[in-house]
Amino acid sequence: QSALTQPPSASGSPGQSITISCTGTRSDVGGYDYVSWYQHHPGKAPKLMIYDVSKRPSGVPDRFSGSKSGNTASLTVSGLQAEDEADYYCSSYGGRNNVIFGGGTKLTVL
Amino acid sequence: EVQLVESGGGLVKPGGSLRLSCAASGFTFINYDMTWVRQAPGKGLEWVSSISSRSSYIFYADSVKGRFTISRDNAKNSVFLQMNSLRAEDTAVYFCARAENSGNYYDMFVLGPWGQGTLITVSS
Repeated sequence: QSALTQPPSASGSPGQSITISCTGTRSDVGGYDYVSWYQHHPGKAPKLMIYDVSKRPSGVPDRFSGSKSGNTASLTVSGLQAEDEADYYCSSYGGRNNVIFGGGTKLTVL
Repeated sequence: EVQLVESGGGLVKPGGSLRLSCAASGFTFINYDMTWVRQAPGKGLEWVSSISSRSSYIFYADSVKGRFTISRDNAKNSVFLQMNSLRAEDTAVYFCARAENSGNYYDMFVLGPWGQGTLITVSS
């Protein structure tokens, strides 16, 4: 199974909103509502931001939201802040007792 | 506070073996599934292996199947990854992660707390 497809980079100014896409197939993203999003500041532990497509773990600001349409999931970050600058990875249950990650998107806050 | 601390990384020659450990604290370890994920230099995250709370279910990525073995010791709040027949392409930072929730099968694949990782370099 191939990695999920994410844009390599995204950017926005403070206060703006950005959306990062994550495209898979009907065997993974499209077939299950088990898409997660992780924030990773290099050198630190990745952090779960969204799971089950649109659920937020405790402590994650509501500026972060998730959605899905067909084989594509999306992460939206509203009211961009400097600390949001990081790498973001989507993942999906892969249908074969496995997890598939996206290639990652580097978010730059201008 | 939940803490996951990986150890055991280092430099190993191709064909060699290494055993990673992940020490957990701050939660009831026996209640949660655990997973190893890796990140090769300059690359994205790659799922490696997952183990259910009582070791009833164990899954591996095709890239490591037959070479890596995941295990856990619930009495010692630890999860392990035995890596044999190591290849250059196994060079990566290896993270251990805990399932965000415990309850159903799919929860295993939602990774809540993560450790900071340990670096494995496979090179002659």
